[in-house]
Amino acid sequence: DSGVTQTPKHLITATGQRVTLRCSPRSGDLSVYWYQQSLDQGLQFLIQYYNGEERAKGNILERFSAQQFPDLHSELNLSSLELGDSALYFCASSVGDRGRDTEAFFGQGTRLTVV
Amino acid sequence: AQSVAQPEDQVNVAEGNPLTVKCTYSVSGNPYLFWYVQYPNRGLQFLLKYITGDNLVKGSYGFEAEFNKSQTSFHLKKPSALVSDSALYFCAVRFLYSGAGSYQLTFGKGTKLSVIP
Repeated sequence: DSGVTQTPKHLITATGQRVTLRCSPRSGDLSVYWYQQSLDQGLQFLIQYYNGEERAKGNILERFSAQQFPDLHSELNLSSLELGDSALYFCASSVGDRGRDTEAFFGQGTRLTVV
Repeated sequence: AQSVAQPEDQVNVAEGNPLTVKCTYSVSGNPYLFWYVQYPNRGLQFLLKYITGDNLVKGSYGFEAEFNKSQTSFHLKKPSALVSDSALYFCAVRFLYSGAGSYQLTFGKGTKLSVIP
């Protein structure tokens, strides 16, 4: 158990809908990262937050947004969903964001299926 | 651009034989390299990392990795493969994300390891 909790584990929704994925980082970790894993794109970095502030953006669509709350949990919001958004979404956390040698710990992911 | 490449989509090895999963990197400056493993329907688990020092890094579950600066490689190895090692393996590099002062982790596409009994 990595200590990173993601809910829900599975989500099935229709095209055009909006969903929210939730992540609770390991105790003491201030950084949260979101990744999308699909068969054809591999593991793609979406966005990172550190102590409530956005730190970096990767290949995140404008239809997607995220935030990190004062209690350090994070939510990834996906809207106007398309079939191609079906993927496994991972959250990871680390102690900080400025340590080059800091490994990230991953949750078990949320499997999103858009029908 | 900072990147890692895993040239093999799949590696098959017989149980008891040594295994190698390949990774090459392209980074400016000193590389900070990681290996993760993903079992079916699970998240990624950290195996080991190279920051500095000895070129042979030992990690979890008997895995080790050899850093080779001249060949820009960081291959994952294990002397004797187990069936339970069958999983998806990811190489990753941590680099400075410009403008934000934070270090990002970018992954290779993954290599599926199958250990045959």
